[in-house]
Amino acid sequence: QVQLQESGPGLVKPSETLSLTCTVSGGSISSYYWSWIRQPAGKGLEWIGRIYTSGSTNYNPSLKSRVTMSVDTSKNQFSLKLSSVTAADTAVYYCAREVTVAGDDAFDIWGQGTMVTVSS
Amino acid sequence: SSELTQDPAVSVALGQTVRITCQGDSLRSYYASWYQQKPGQAPVLVIYGKNNRPSGIPDRFSGSSSGNTASLTITGAQAEDEADYYCNSRDSSGNHHVVFGGGTKLTVL
Repeated sequence: QVQLQESGPGLVKPSETLSLTCTVSGGSISSYYWSWIRQPAGKGLEWIGRIYTSGSTNYNPSLKSRVTMSVDTSKNQFSLKLSSVTAADTAVYYCAREVTVAGDDAFDIWGQGTMVTVSS
Repeated sequence: SSELTQDPAVSVALGQTVRITCQGDSLRSYYASWYQQKPGQAPVLVIYGKNNRPSGIPDRFSGSSSGNTASLTITGAQAEDEADYYCNSRDSSGNHHVVFGGGTKLTVL
């Protein structure tokens, strides 16, 4: 079955760029949307954005100016870069597969999540 | 602030039925999906589309929708259903963006 695994630094300094990679195993990355979602401690889920395997992207308007996503189909990976981070970006970051059923979206497979702390 | 509104907390007696709701303008156009999240774990999809359950999700979980309100119903709640529940849908911008509700903490008494 398809599994997702996030990887990247757990500690990022303020004003620097957060970089995470999600590796897809047990299946192909092709022909799906792939999203990043984050969750600050004790708070709710926030969608960051998505990328299709063609490279097309959609970003949360509130984060759009700082977010860049990319995909590497040869490695079955997709990535997130979030620039100019502050303490407010401290959260568990999840990658997830997104499926569309009759015009409605759902995240059917999630990674285990990776904690990223922004601190000097 | 979230464009989807959920009650912060709901409780249910063991074996009884509970409804968790999600309100928002986008739900007049799109069905909500629902996720269960237990402490320290990633969310798990429990309902998507009109009323679809992924493989492995018990049939005591069901979804419905009316107007701007989506509902997740657990019929015969079990102790293992105690968790946070989140709804999500496309937003109402038409730009294929996603919004989540703030989450509902379900306590099984």
